[in-house]
Amino acid sequence: GAGVSQSPSNKVTEKGKDVELRCDPISGHTALYWYRQSLGQGLEFLIYFQGNSAPDKSGLPSDRFSAERTGGSVSTLTIQRTQQEDSAVYLCASSVQPSGGYEQYFGPGTRLTVT
Amino acid sequence: GEDVEQSLFLSVREGDSSVINCTYTDSSSTYLYWYKQEPGAGLQLLTYIFSNMDMKQDQRLTVLLNKKDKHLSLRIADTQTGDSAIYFCAESFDNYGQNFVFGPGTRLSVLP
Repeated sequence: GAGVSQSPSNKVTEKGKDVELRCDPISGHTALYWYRQSLGQGLEFLIYFQGNSAPDKSGLPSDRFSAERTGGSVSTLTIQRTQQEDSAVYLCASSVQPSGGYEQYFGPGTRLTVT
Repeated sequence: GEDVEQSLFLSVREGDSSVINCTYTDSSSTYLYWYKQEPGAGLQLLTYIFSNMDMKQDQRLTVLLNKKDKHLSLRIADTQTGDSAIYFCAESFDNYGQNFVFGPGTRLSVLP
């Protein structure tokens, strides 16, 4: 079946512009995660959605970052007034259950470059 | 808070065994994972171990967990060039919210 998809695969934007990154999770997966992977770094947790519950936004680095998940499926991560330090690969993952022990399926990521 | 550490680089010769090590700080984790990221690709789960186990074997992969020392290792037997990738250690907790913590990844290079 289809895996997690993300679009665009690459995005180059000018400093100060807003960008939207999209994630289509695997159908039926209730949990959705956004991570950021900077060059040579591990994964930095950004935000987590579980069903209709309020998202866990504890990892968002600033108020320029926001995310929504419509209808419990597709998610959009928005970065306003982008800065050069926002350049990274943004990874989305989904899983059947939110708690430990269930595999997270990762998308291929969106490589964001802020010039 | 939770912290997961790994050495950043490892080089081995083709056919040798690779051992990738990971240490973590939070002993309340329920599962520990190894993910593989090949160049230009997303992360794929390789294997995971429940925190009350001390060993798990899956074909060429052996996972060892020393809960006392909070040390996790991944051994790849007969390492092949196709094993060249970044390997991430991760732990998860039985609570909602940010319940997965990843290490920085170990870049494994397999030399011919």
